Amino acid sequence: DAKTTQPTSMDCAEGRAANLPCNHSTISGNEYVYWYRQIHSQGPQYIIHGLKNNETNEMASLIITEDRKSSTLILPHATLRDTAVYYCIVRPYNTDKLIFGTGTRLQVFP
Amino acid sequence: DTGVSQDPRHKITKRGQNVTFRCDPISEHNRLYWYRQTLGQGPEFLTYFQNEAQLEKSRLLSDRFSAERPKGSFSTLEIQRTEQGDSAMYLCASSLSGRGPGETQYFGPGTRLLVL
Repeated sequence: DAKTTQPTSMDCAEGRAANLPCNHSTISGNEYVYWYRQIHSQGPQYIIHGLKNNETNEMASLIITEDRKSSTLILPHATLRDTAVYYCIVRPYNTDKLIFGTGTRLQVFP
Repeated sequence: DTGVSQDPRHKITKRGQNVTFRCDPISEHNRLYWYRQTLGQGPEFLTYFQNEAQLEKSRLLSDRFSAERPKGSFSTLEIQRTEQGDSAMYLCASSLSGRGPGETQYFGPGTRLLVL
């Protein structure tokens, strides 16, 4: 299974863009990149996923490099409620389970 | 609210007791997953069902753990003879199959178990 590497923690000022990086250098051509977040004491919340192209939804944007070895999750205008642990997950084609790492703890400050 | 629900939200039990948790998935979802999360770690996969069939079980799921989904709707996870190491958050997720790797799992709020 492709491994992901994320920084342990990051800070971001409220109102600024939060850019969360993820390395997945061993990703295969048919593996998707998923992002989830988990606010303290809650279940993980789906954010976005992509295969090759950049994706955007009402929560965030996902930028995947052309070689697919890394990606960046962008929260365009971070708020205090975006403080959470963010998980980058590479999902193998032949499995239905999600394999979580330890994620990035994002702290948004006023 | 039509999301995934779990009951109870919190459970405190004494070592050696049996506990059972329930998960109600999003109504049209045919896949249901159980994960376990210990403090400071990401969730770990335990098992999953497609309709009533249990299709995969992790090695983490010892013989003290049993999961069922008898009618392909709600699911129960039972832990027999609980141990202090079973203390964790137990998470349920559901999804709609047939969409390949792009299929999205939606999580419930979890059941936090404390074994004394």
